[in-house]
Amino acid sequence: GAVVSQHPSWVICKSGTSVKIECRSLDFQATTMFWYRQFPKQSLMLMATSNEGSKATYEQGVEKDKFLINHASLTLSTLTVTSAHPEDSSFYICSATLAGDTYYEQYFGPGTRLTVT
Amino acid sequence: GEDVEQSLFLSVREGDSSVINCTYTDSSSTYLYWYKQEPGAGLQLLTYIFSNMDMKQDQRLTVLLNKKDKHLSLRIADTQTGDSAIYFCAESWEYGNKLVFGAGTILRVKS
Repeated sequence: GAVVSQHPSWVICKSGTSVKIECRSLDFQATTMFWYRQFPKQSLMLMATSNEGSKATYEQGVEKDKFLINHASLTLSTLTVTSAHPEDSSFYICSATLAGDTYYEQYFGPGTRLTVT
Repeated sequence: GEDVEQSLFLSVREGDSSVINCTYTDSSSTYLYWYKQEPGAGLQLLTYIFSNMDMKQDQRLTVLLNKKDKHLSLRIADTQTGDSAIYFCAESWEYGNKLVFGAGTILRVKS
């Protein structure tokens, strides 16, 4: 159980276009989803925390107008990279958790490789 | 600020023990974790330790925490080729929330 999927697994887009990445919890309801970004040989950096039905909370330095996060249901969160540029090329990873008064284990998706040309 | 550091690469022979080290800077961290990432798969939680513990053992895995030195280690006994992966340590103040990760250690197991 506790499987998280991401779609697509990799995407190439042209500079200036927008790309949407989906994160789904397949067998549980995720009240909270996290979005991370990972550069080669660097750690996962938390970008934002999203709770179902409310606006995402972005980490310092992350542009919320550039990285649009929508958590419309208990099983789906989307990250849209708007007006993508080559410096947005990275590995994007989501995780999902049950959260209420207490947080539980984060279950991670396999990641999405974004390349902006 | 928060910072977690790990060595980037470790190579061991099959059957030997592996020790992966991690240092962190945030003394308020309450939980420390070890995750495993295999190619094409998401990060998998291997184990975690609460900050008031010194050691935790789970089958082949032993976690040691030196809170004074802010040093965390993961020992894998009888390392197998299937243990080849990237291992991340992470810290958080609240279990499962706002994890801060290290850069990951690539473990290569030679048969």
